[in-house]
Amino acid sequence: GEQVEQLPSSLIVQEGASVLINCSYTDSASVYFPWYKQEPGKRLQFIIDIRSNMERKQNQRLTLLFDKKTKHLSLHITATQPGDSAIYFCSASSNTGGLSGKLTFGEGTQVTVIS
Amino acid sequence: DAAVTQKPRYLIKMKGQEAEMKCIPEKGHTAVFWYQQKQSKELKFLIYFQNQQPLDQIDMVKERFSAVCPSSSLCSLGIRTCEAEDSALYLCSSSPTDQDTQYFGPGTRLLVL
Repeated sequence: GEQVEQLPSSLIVQEGASVLINCSYTDSASVYFPWYKQEPGKRLQFIIDIRSNMERKQNQRLTLLFDKKTKHLSLHITATQPGDSAIYFCSASSNTGGLSGKLTFGEGTQVTVIS
Repeated sequence: DAAVTQKPRYLIKMKGQEAEMKCIPEKGHTAVFWYQQKQSKELKFLIYFQNQQPLDQIDMVKERFSAVCPSSSLCSLGIRTCEAEDSALYLCSSSPTDQDTQYFGPGTRLLVL
């Protein structure tokens, strides 16, 4: 089945700096890639997504790049703020036979923004 | 934002006891998913319902869990005989269809002693 790898597992960044999180997947049938943010004690929050027919998507300070050939995604967060401190999850969903949109998640990247 | 609800938020069970947790999907969402998260790490897919019918599930769920969606506004996940390894955060998500963005509830944290 699908496997999603996410790097780094953790990082610390100065407020105002940028963050880059890398994600790779194995199943070429995966077509949808949502990213989530999880703050301590809070629910998993959807932040941005991309489908396999796109190469780039931006949402305010978030930019998501997708390379179908290498099966690689990268999430770029600019102008980081203390509120960006959280665990970020990459996920992938295939549409194999239209049976399930279940998500396969990476192990998460703990981002800590320090003032 | 979607407002998926889960109850209870916390659940403590002894080994061998039965556990049950509930999920109220976002109104109008036809797809419901359950995931298990241990130690704030990787989320593992458990089972998926489309229009209240279970369409995909992992072997562990078939063997030891019970899951139903008796209505479009309520789903439940049960563990027939709790084991220590079942201690985890159980997350429910729903989406308008199985190919749309999934919105997550706050989860039920299960501790098995």
